Amino acid sequence: NAGVMQNPRHLVRRRGQEARLRCSPMKGHSHVYWYRQLPEEGLKFMVYLQKENIIDESGMPKERFSAEFPKEGPSILRIQQVVRGDSAAYFCASSPSTGKGLTETQYFGPGTRLLVL
Amino acid sequence: AQTVTQSQPEMSVQEAETVTLSCTYDTSESNYYLFWYKQPPSRQMILVIRQEAYKQQNATENRFSVNFQKAAKSFSLKISDSQLGDTAMYFCAFMKPAGAGTALIFGKGTTLSVSS
Repeated sequence: NAGVMQNPRHLVRRRGQEARLRCSPMKGHSHVYWYRQLPEEGLKFMVYLQKENIIDESGMPKERFSAEFPKEGPSILRIQQVVRGDSAAYFCASSPSTGKGLTETQYFGPGTRLLVL
Repeated sequence: AQTVTQSQPEMSVQEAETVTLSCTYDTSESNYYLFWYKQPPSRQMILVIRQEAYKQQNATENRFSVNFQKAAKSFSLKISDSQLGDTAMYFCAFMKPAGAGTALIFGKGTTLSVSS
């Protein structure tokens, strides 16, 4: 069973360009989470999605950032008009749906390292 | 709001020795989940161990065990028989139960170095 897949692993963008990060959850997982890790910091929650729905985006900046998890295909985190402060590692995690209201463990992908020049 | 504090930025240990990483948290919730994740130099986030707050028994996974003190809001990780491959940054994380927000809240991490 393949783990959480993220691509690209490394992404370099110039200021003002768009960054598009992809995440394919583990097979059978219907919940996706995005986190950002700044240098020397822990991970910070950005957004939680289920198929075709954003459930919680309380950690995502209001401007330039958006996320989706379409019915078909991977989840996408999009950053428009990137700035140097967006340079960070972006991690995706997924968890299964138990259907019982239980909290399930989140399993992480390898991350995408975004560098903005 | 929940917070997670890891007070040891760096620790070092010799191979085969035991080391304990500390974590404290603050919450008004009575039921929640606690995790330790490991981030080796590859930067991959790997789940080490998980504890449900309603369970009094401390979780164990092979050489890894926790000391969960609910009243003190403390959740330390003990690594026995340390191995070179244990060298990594270790993050403590808190999660509220489903239906109450499912974001993991992480501490700032402890860098552990295991030497031969």
